Amino acid sequence: RKEVEQDPGPFNVPEGATVAFNCTYSNSASQSFFWYRQDCRKEPKLLMSVYSSGNEDGRFTAQLNRASQYISLLIRDSKLSDSATYLCVVDYSGGYQKVTFGTGTKLQVIP
Amino acid sequence: DTEVTQTPKHLVMGMTNKKSLKCEQHMGHRAMYWYKQKAKKPPELMFVYSYEKLSINESVPSRFSPECPNSSLLNLHLHALQPEDSALYLCASSQEEGLYGYTFGSGTRLTVV
Repeated sequence: RKEVEQDPGPFNVPEGATVAFNCTYSNSASQSFFWYRQDCRKEPKLLMSVYSSGNEDGRFTAQLNRASQYISLLIRDSKLSDSATYLCVVDYSGGYQKVTFGTGTKLQVIP
Repeated sequence: DTEVTQTPKHLVMGMTNKKSLKCEQHMGHRAMYWYKQKAKKPPELMFVYSYEKLSINESVPSRFSPECPNSSLLNLHLHALQPEDSALYLCASSQEEGLYGYTFGSGTRLTVV
């Protein structure tokens, strides 16, 4: 089983739709969780950290489910500019730092 | 200043060349990272510097040699690379090692011929 797994997609959704991605992780000792977005041939950019209580930033909501070992990203009212690859990042910090990137989920928002 | 600056943006080098990639940040971040990313793959961690000391080397071949001259600068020295080393090399920084999200530079797209 991969340490961090994501559905590669692509998710093709119409503008205005709501879309959700999940990311599962295998190490229950994981401590920090993040969502990044990466546009084609660009660097990853931090979208949001994921907190145990869940957190929201505008149209984006991130959730963490420690019992089932997954995090999720919900995007409401999708915009064309949301088209990108969304990378899940899990950090096993604590004595030995190891950050693992998921393979990413590609989102294409269509007019 | 909330940026990580990488130079050069593009680099083509022969297998016998020696070149260096540079990375700079002025956000006061104490951890800096080198990642390698191949097309359609996630970034792969190469090296981590924490408080200017090398804390992680992810079994990277010795033809890649990192250097952290001070808390704002990170270099990656390249020597005798192979064509399969062609990739996007990303530098990143964070406030502390592992606890916070990263800020990535825009990367150096390296082609080894």
